[in-house]
Amino acid sequence: KAGVTQTPRYLIKTRGQQVTLSCSPISGHRSVSWYQQTPGQGLQFLFEYFSETQRNKGNFPGRFSGRQFSNSRSEMNVSTLELGDSALYLCASSLALSGTVTDTQYFGPGTRLTVL
Amino acid sequence: AQKVTQAQTEISVVEKEDVTLDCVYETRDTTYYLFWYKQPPSGELVFLIRRNSFDEQNEISGRYSWNFQKSTSSFNFTITASQVVDSAVYFCALSEAGNFNKFYFGSGTKLNVKP
Repeated sequence: KAGVTQTPRYLIKTRGQQVTLSCSPISGHRSVSWYQQTPGQGLQFLFEYFSETQRNKGNFPGRFSGRQFSNSRSEMNVSTLELGDSALYLCASSLALSGTVTDTQYFGPGTRLTVL
Repeated sequence: AQKVTQAQTEISVVEKEDVTLDCVYETRDTTYYLFWYKQPPSGELVFLIRRNSFDEQNEISGRYSWNFQKSTSSFNFTITASQVVDSAVYFCALSEAGNFNKFYFGSGTKLNVKP
């Protein structure tokens, strides 16, 4: 099975712009989560989607949003980019058969976003 | 308060040495899940192990072993006879039941294995 794929792998934007990142989960996985990784704050949870519904959200401003499509693919969007948004954005997918039990999350290679 | 603490920021060992990476967690839930991930320089987090709170059995997988102790809220990871390919950042993570896959990660331990 193919792993989690994320596009693009690298992105350079300027302050004030917006960006959309894409994530394709492992085939059959229904839950997709997003994390931000920075040297200062480490790995932080952004949000999680299951069956096109956001079930959980981390402590990030409303500029960070996401969605999930019927095929479980997910996108996250960051509007009005700030310098501090420069980070590695990781997507993870899990089986979520029951919808409630915590499953093992499998991560993609990440999208490295640089904001100038 | 931090839910997952990895006090060792960086460890350097010489190949073939054994090394233990510490992880201490904090939760009030009785049902929770613990994980270890490896992050090589390429950036992708690689899953190593998952443990449920009700299963305190230690586990061994090749050169890797894990010691889960609820009494001390610790979930330590030992690499026996380390190899250069083990060099990476290792993360411990906690997820609480009903929290829909929200993982709390520790700050990571960078392991340098020198030949």
